[in-house]
Amino acid sequence: KAGVTQTPRYLIKTRGQQVTLSCSPISGHRSVSWYQQTPGQGLQFLFEYFSETQRNKGNFPGRFSGRQFSNSRSEMNVSTLELGDSALYLCASSVSRTLNTEAFFGQGTRLTVV
Amino acid sequence: GENVEQHPSTLSVQEGDSAVIKCTYSDSASNYFPWYKQELGKRPQLIIDIRSNVGEKKDQRIAVTLNKTAKHFSLHITETQPEDSAVYFCAASMNDYKLSFGAGTTVTVRA
Repeated sequence: KAGVTQTPRYLIKTRGQQVTLSCSPISGHRSVSWYQQTPGQGLQFLFEYFSETQRNKGNFPGRFSGRQFSNSRSEMNVSTLELGDSALYLCASSVSRTLNTEAFFGQGTRLTVV
Repeated sequence: GENVEQHPSTLSVQEGDSAVIKCTYSDSASNYFPWYKQELGKRPQLIIDIRSNVGEKKDQRIAVTLNKTAKHFSLHITETQPEDSAVYFCAASMNDYKLSFGAGTTVTVRA
């Protein structure tokens, strides 16, 4: 069974630009969550999607948005990039929301804003 | 929201010794406590988890204990090996499927 796949693996963007990251969950998993990982702040929750609906949101500005498609694939968008957005963005998929089941992480997308 | 504190931030142990990482959480409604291991350049992977109706859980050399009254939980690794060197994250979650992570502990096992 293929794991969680994130594309691209690496990105370099300029301040002010926007970026879209993609996450394909494990087949059969319907919940997708996004996290930002930085050396200073650790792993911070961005949002969670289930059945194409955002179910939970962390404390990030509105520049961070996402969506989920009918096949459970998810995208995350960051507009008007700032230097502080440089981070490893991880997505995690879970089979359902009925229980706190294991979250499987992808390899992440390393975003560098210059 | 939930706040998880993790200590120590770094831990160096001699191969064969035990390692203990401690976490505290703020929200008594949290009921799920996973531990993730992240090796350098790799994705976080679940190594063990515990739910609030259980006080202790063990899996080979790894064990986790939970004290709901004190709102803290700990990871114990016995007979440490070089491959245990990694960053370990604790997390807490309520029934909202949002994981609140601790800041991480960098464990180095000296040969």
